[in-house]
Amino acid sequence: GAVVSQHPSRVICKSGTSVKIECRSLDFQATTMFWYRQFPKQSLMLMATSNEGSKATYEQGVEKDKFLINHASLTLSTLTVTSAHPEDSSFYICSARWYGDTYEQYFGPGTRLTVT
Amino acid sequence: GNSVTQMEGPVTLSEEAFLTINCTYTATGYPSLFWYVQYPGEGLQLLLKATKADDKGSNKGFEATYRKETTSFHLEKGSVQVSDSAVYFCALSMDSNYQLIWGAGTKLIIKP
Repeated sequence: GAVVSQHPSRVICKSGTSVKIECRSLDFQATTMFWYRQFPKQSLMLMATSNEGSKATYEQGVEKDKFLINHASLTLSTLTVTSAHPEDSSFYICSARWYGDTYEQYFGPGTRLTVT
Repeated sequence: GNSVTQMEGPVTLSEEAFLTINCTYTATGYPSLFWYVQYPGEGLQLLLKATKADDKGSNKGFEATYRKETTSFHLEKGSVQVSDSAVYFCALSMDSNYQLIWGAGTKLIIKP
């Protein structure tokens, strides 16, 4: 089946620094990738949608200068949290979809970010 | 706007019990409906889906029927196992953009 990986699985960074999270589709070409944020005991919140080779579309309320998304190839998207603060601590999940599959998104295992 | 409401957890059951996790939705138009499952330490996986009214999705003994009249998509399983312990998410998608709108998730705990 379709596999999506995320790296790192856990990261701790200091306030004010930046951290990059990678999302890779391992055995298919992802024309669209989604980035979500999940708070404890809460649902997933869509942050942005990115199509390969074009700028990401951010959801209302998500700061695009803070959460930089790059989808430079059909198998890789990155989320960079710039100038991280403790309130950015969360579980970040990516998913990927390929053009031939209308409905299904394939999810990565998530990245736990802790900002100290 | 579009939204999904599912029952709060955790839901704790004994092995072989009957499971129902309620899910209702609000949508302008005709969404596709999904159940995703997140096992401990793993990524979300699609469990089943239904794309139009009266469709029944089924997988691994789980079933859910798309009920337009009650705007519901309740998840059921006749006999749960310890290995079914996970968090279950109900979600909808409008075909226009394929974005998923999520319920809050229901944690299921099955005791032997």
